[in-house]
Parts: sequence; C-alpha cells; structure tokens
Amino acid sequence: KAGVTQTPRYLIKTRGQQVTLSCSPISGHRSVSWYQQTPGQGLQFLFEYFSETQRNKGNFPGRFSGRQFSNSRSEMNVSTLELGDSALYLCASSFHGRGEETQYFGPGTRLLVL
Amino acid sequence: DAKTTQPNSMESNEEEPVHLPCNHSTISGTDYIHWYRQLPSQGPEYVIHGLTSNVNNRMASLAIAEDRKSSTLILHRATLRDAAVYYCILRKVNNAGKSTFGDGTTLTVKP
Repeated sequence: KAGVTQTPRYLIKTRGQQVTLSCSPISGHRSVSWYQQTPGQGLQFLFEYFSETQRNKGNFPGRFSGRQFSNSRSEMNVSTLELGDSALYLCASSFHGRGEETQYFGPGTRLLVL
Repeated sequence: DAKTTQPNSMESNEEEPVHLPCNHSTISGTDYIHWYRQLPSQGPEYVIHGLTSNVNNRMASLAIAEDRKSSTLILHRATLRDAAVYYCILRKVNNAGKSTFGDGTTLTVKP
C-alpha cells in the first residue's frame, strides 16, 4: 500500500506570493490533517478535512486555507506569504480521524519564503 | 486538550533497552496515548498506541500506568536507527484528526 505523498517536496517563494501544497492520502483514508512544523513553534495543527468538509481547525490566520476533493486528496493554500511561513508542512491521513486510529504522515513539503 | 510532559533528551547505548517516560496527569477516559518518532527532515512515524492495557508491536512496547497518568515507551534493544525525537500524544476518540504535539524527547543512541 502506498503511503501518504506530498508534492512538491521543496518550494521557494517570495513574500506576498501565494502557494498551494498537495497531499494524497493512503487509499481508503478519508481524514486528512495538515500541520506546520517550525524550529520555534514545533508541530502545530492547521486543520483537518473529512469527506470534503473542514471538520477541525487550529489557531492559524485566515491566510491558511485548504480543501479536500471527492477522492480524499487535499490541498492547502497560503496566501500573502510572510517570512514566518517558512516551515515544513506535513499532512497526515487516517480512516476517519478518530482518536484510536493511527495517523500516517507524509514526508512533508519544505517551504522557504524569501 | 490534555498536555503531556516528556524529558527534553535522553541517551542510550546501542543494544540496550530504552525507557522513554511521558506524564499526562490530566488525561481523560477517552484519550488514547500515541507515540510517534521523527527523524530529521522526515515526517513523524507511528510507533505504538494504547488506551488502558500495555501494548506490544514489532517496534516497541507501551506500558501504561494503572491510573493512566503516565506511560512509558520501551525500545527493547536500541539501535543507531532509533535516534530520533519521540513524541507522546493524547488523542480523544472524537478529536477529528487533531494531534497535539509537545516538544518530545530527543533520543541519542551511542555506539
């Protein structure tokens, strides 16, 4: 079974631009969660999508948004990039997003904002 | 979300057992205890999880205290490949895909 895949793996953008990251979950998984990891703040939850609906949201500004398609693939978008958005963005999938389930993480997309 | 507390770092010798502790004194009855580890520049990797009983799998064992206010991840024979940051996470049964990561424990394995 293929794992969680994320594209692109690396990205360089400049301040003010926007970026879209993609995540393909493990086949059969309907819950996709996104996280941001920075040296200063650690791993922080951004949001979770289940059956094309945002079901849970972390404490991030509205510049961070996402969506999920009918095949469970998910994208996240960051508009008006700031230097502080430089981070490793991780997505994780599970069957239903329930607490007893394992979340499987992708390798991440490393975003550098100049 | 209930918080977890882990030591910042631990050291172990190769081929010796490692016991990584985690305190979660405010755990609720519906919180599952998950352990992940992360190597540099990689996504977190699932290690093990449990609710009340001790759990074993091919990677590790999880020992959960009777009052569930603490747990211990046990690596039976540490290898150099086990050097990573280990995270202890609590996830509610209906938490809708959210894991709250703390700072984790950086495990160093010495040859």
